[in-house]
Amino acid sequence: ELKVEQNPLFLSMQEGKNYTIYCNYSTTSDRLYWYRQDPGKSLESLFVLLSNGAVKQEGRLMASLDTKARLSTLHITAAVHDLSATYFCAVSRRGSNYKLTFGKGTLLTVNP
Amino acid sequence: DVKVTQSSRYLVKRTGEKVFLECVQDMDHENMFWYRQDPGLGLRLIYFSYDVKMKEKGDIPEGYSVSREKKERFSLILESASTNQTSMYLCASSSPSEGEQYFGPGTRLTVT
Repeated sequence: ELKVEQNPLFLSMQEGKNYTIYCNYSTTSDRLYWYRQDPGKSLESLFVLLSNGAVKQEGRLMASLDTKARLSTLHITAAVHDLSATYFCAVSRRGSNYKLTFGKGTLLTVNP
Repeated sequence: DVKVTQSSRYLVKRTGEKVFLECVQDMDHENMFWYRQDPGLGLRLIYFSYDVKMKEKGDIPEGYSVSREKKERFSLILESASTNQTSMYLCASSSPSEGEQYFGPGTRLTVT
């Protein structure tokens, strides 16, 4: 059974600081996704990571994937208040027509 | 832009009622999904459909059924709503080649 663990589950940080959210998964997978969810809203796709060593960046967010360690990271650089949201990683189940297993999410609060 | 719409944003139903949640996507995606989202539990897959009239149980199918009569429409049915089905329900769609899931705005269902 594929399990996806995120940590931390809650993250309170100051504007301007850097931090990393970690996503570990338990079995071999071929794709990893990061999503953002604002309060009361749906999920918005941030990144799709397809292969070992993949790195993608958008603004102050950078995601990477290490398939050998079964680990993805979402790095936040110089956080701003607008980044406050819940971030989910999700891993596709190999051979399953891309059904996803989600982590429980990291609630990020960026304080002024 | 991919658009996934859900029939209601908020719904209040009584215990024992039959409830229909509808989802429509406009990107000709083969795959469609129903999730429920609960605090502390993340997103859990209820049912999945990979083609018209085809469906697979997800991780928590008990108490739910689905219908997919047309490619663009995927319905979630609660045959006899119970209070433990109070939740946020999210629909998503994807193409098998991409895997990335696009989410609808969600339906917050309250069963009293």
